[in-house]
Order: sequence, then structure tokens, then C-alpha cells
Amino acid sequence: SQLAEENSWALSVHEGESVTVNCSYKTSITALQWYRQKSGKGPAQLILIRSNEREKRNGRLRATLDTSSQSSSLSITATRCEDTAVYFCATKGNTGKLIFGLGTTLQVQP
Amino acid sequence: EAGVTQSPRYAVLQEGQAVSFWCDPISGHDTLYWYQQPRDQGPQLLVYFRDEAVIDNSQLPSDRFSAVRPKGTNSTLKIQSAKQGDTATYLCASSFPNTGQLYFGEGSKLTVL
Repeated sequence: SQLAEENSWALSVHEGESVTVNCSYKTSITALQWYRQKSGKGPAQLILIRSNEREKRNGRLRATLDTSSQSSSLSITATRCEDTAVYFCATKGNTGKLIFGLGTTLQVQP
Repeated sequence: EAGVTQSPRYAVLQEGQAVSFWCDPISGHDTLYWYQQPRDQGPQLLVYFRDEAVIDNSQLPSDRFSAVRPKGTNSTLKIQSAKQGDTATYLCASSFPNTGQLYFGEGSKLTVL
């Protein structure tokens, strides 16, 4: 069973707009990571946020973590066409295994 | 610095055939992972190693799948008697211990007809 899942299957925005991808998870975690996967490539890490952190930024990206509601969000500001990709949240618990959600496909249109 | 290298990039098999995928992790990374990613799904962990030791292979279909990392560097994932349900991209990733970040290769896309 999936331990983490994104809340939207697909999103579409126009360049310059902001977008938020949400994720919920079901177990206690030590950290949550956001990955981006472009077509034909492997996933690439965007942000790692530990369970004792509430927010993390990386350029135009901002991740939040709410351990009480077991949810996280990834916001992208000033989107660009090259942000078009599938976005995954992935959780790591005490087992040490990194478990991925199903992913949200983001399409950024010109 | 070279990234994670996988080969072959593509493989097409008939059911019942065997295939091996090879992974060369980033130099110095002692942890290596194999994930299976069916089309339009997230990566699903099959097995991971720390050096040459298997840490977790609980999701590896042991009757037909095997994975080794004999010298703690390169790794091979083998599928014997492939089935159509094995159609997926097989991703290899590596990391330093306890850093959290995984570095993925581009994957090996398997189609079983």
C-alpha cells in the first residue's frame, strides 16, 4: 500500500503562475522529500524536509510539512515551461526505506 | 562528477525470456537501490544494499527476480522468465548513508510482449 500520496492527479497552469502540489501520508516519518521526474529521466530531488521542520525553500520552490495532519505541500512560483514534469512526494520512516507516492503531473503552458 | 549509469536503456522481451539490468552508482555512494516504476505510477522499491549486503528485499519477487552487488559497487538486477506484468522502467539510485537524498539513473525501460 502507498504510504504517501499526492492529492491531485494532474494540474495545468500558464507560465508565470504559481501552483501548489499537495501530499498526504499515513505513517510516522523522519523526513519527506519532493522529487521531480521529467519525461524519460529518473526522479531528481527538489527538497528534503525533516519531521522537525515546518518549511523549506529552494529558489522558486517552497515545501511545507504539517506532521499533525500528516500532509505536505510543494509550491512553485513564477512557473516556467521547463517545470513541466511529474512531481512526487516520498516519505522515509524508521525502516529507512524511501516510499514514493503516485505522482502529480504538472503541465506548464506558454 | 558522473551520475548513476544504467544499461541497457531499453529491452523488449517475449514472455518467458530473461534479462539483466546493470547499474553503476556514483563513486563513494555505499547505498544502492532498485525501484520498479510501472507506467503512470510512482517508483516502487524492490531491493536496496548497503555495500554488498542486502538490507531489504521484501518487495522483490524472489521466484523470478534477483539482485546482487558483489563488491559493493556495481549491481545487477536479473529477471528470469519475464511476464507481461513486469513491463516497467527499472530505476537504480544511490546515496550516502543517512543523507536522505537519492540520485537516480535514467532507468532501463522493459517491455514484455
